[in-house]
Amino acid sequence: DAGVIQSPRHEVTEMGQEVTLRCKPISGHNSLFWYRQTMMRGLELLIYFNNNVPIDDSGMPEDRFSAKMPNASFSTLKIQPSEPRDSAVYFCASSYLLAASSGEQYFGPGTRLTVT
Amino acid sequence: DAKTTQPPSMDCAEGRAANLPCNHSTISGNEYVYWYRQIHSQGPQYIIHGLKNNETNEMASLIITEDRKSSTLILPHATLRDTAVYYCIAPINFGNEKLTFGTGTRLTIIP
Repeated sequence: DAGVIQSPRHEVTEMGQEVTLRCKPISGHNSLFWYRQTMMRGLELLIYFNNNVPIDDSGMPEDRFSAKMPNASFSTLKIQPSEPRDSAVYFCASSYLLAASSGEQYFGPGTRLTVT
Repeated sequence: DAKTTQPPSMDCAEGRAANLPCNHSTISGNEYVYWYRQIHSQGPQYIIHGLKNNETNEMASLIITEDRKSSTLILPHATLRDTAVYYCIAPINFGNEKLTFGTGTRLTIIP
């Protein structure tokens, strides 16, 4: 398996522009997570889906952020409009919810976003 | 907020066992402890998890105290590639997939 795939790997954009990050989870996994990592705040969970349904979006910082999962093999995280403080590494992770492995998640390589 | 306590940093000589402690004193009976690591510029990597018994896999061993208030991750023969930030995450309940990452322990393997 290719693992979790994220694109793009690097994104540089200007303040005010729309940014879309993409994620393809591991085939067969039924949960998908979006995280953000910065030096100041560490690794934070933004939102997660189970069976394509958003379960918890309490970590989404504000209305400028939105996430969708139209099918089991694709998810997007959109920022509109982007701001310099959104600069971070965004990770996508997936898992298969089983009794004894609820916390076993597989992370992608991340997208490094720079907003100037 | 993370409910675990870990030392901010540790060093270990290459080839020796690296023992990383974690305090999770608020954990209750049906809650798991998970360990992840993050090598520089990569996504976090799952290592191991446990409930009450000691666990071992190809990457590491996990020793959980009898009162379950602390645990130790053991890398039996550390290599330079084990240099990373190690995160102890607890509690994790069945059906609760949310991971709350703290600041972890930055482990440096010394040649």
